Amino acid sequence: KQEVTQIPAALSVPEGENLVLNCSFTDSAIYNLQWFRQDPGKGLTSLLLIQSSQREQTSGRLNASLDKSSGRSTLYIAASQPGDSATYLCAVKTSGSRLTFGEGTQLTVNP
Amino acid sequence: DVKVTQSSRYLVKRTGEKVFLECVQDMDHENMFWYRQDPGLGLRLIYFSYDVKMKEKGDIPEGYSVSREKKERFSLILESASTNQTSMYLCASSLSGIATNEKLFFGSGTQLSVL
Repeated sequence: KQEVTQIPAALSVPEGENLVLNCSFTDSAIYNLQWFRQDPGKGLTSLLLIQSSQREQTSGRLNASLDKSSGRSTLYIAASQPGDSATYLCAVKTSGSRLTFGEGTQLTVNP
Repeated sequence: DVKVTQSSRYLVKRTGEKVFLECVQDMDHENMFWYRQDPGLGLRLIYFSYDVKMKEKGDIPEGYSVSREKKERFSLILESASTNQTSMYLCASSLSGIATNEKLFFGSGTQLSVL
């Protein structure tokens, strides 16, 4: 059974800092990995999707990498801003249409 | 952009009531999902549907049923609500689930409280 772990559970940084969020998964036979953002009391918004054949994806200040063999992904946020404060979740797709989610990293960017 | 709409942001129900949570997507997606999200437990899949009138159980289907009579609408039904069903309920959809580059799109969530 696929398991997804995100470390740390919470992270607090000063504005402007570059930061890395980590995601690990136990079964490397994945179709893709997605990073999501969730604001308090709201739904999830897809940020980046990395297909199993890809190594990384970039969108603005965000860069996500994937190392399938080691079962790891990182989300790099450059020049963090208070508006980046949210919970970030990763999810892997291993079979059919189902995704397995991590519990998320709660990020706080302090002005 | 894909829009997934959940009919209620907040609901308060009594124990034993029958509860309907509605979800509508506007992008002709084949797949629709219902998750619940609880602190410390993350997102857990309740049911999903890959076509009209088709459904499959997720990881925690007990106490729930679903209905998909039209492609754009997926309903979650709590037959007899209980306090342990107090949770944030999230609906999601994806195009078909076959391609490796398909994203999952979520609604804004329904916070259900069962008293």
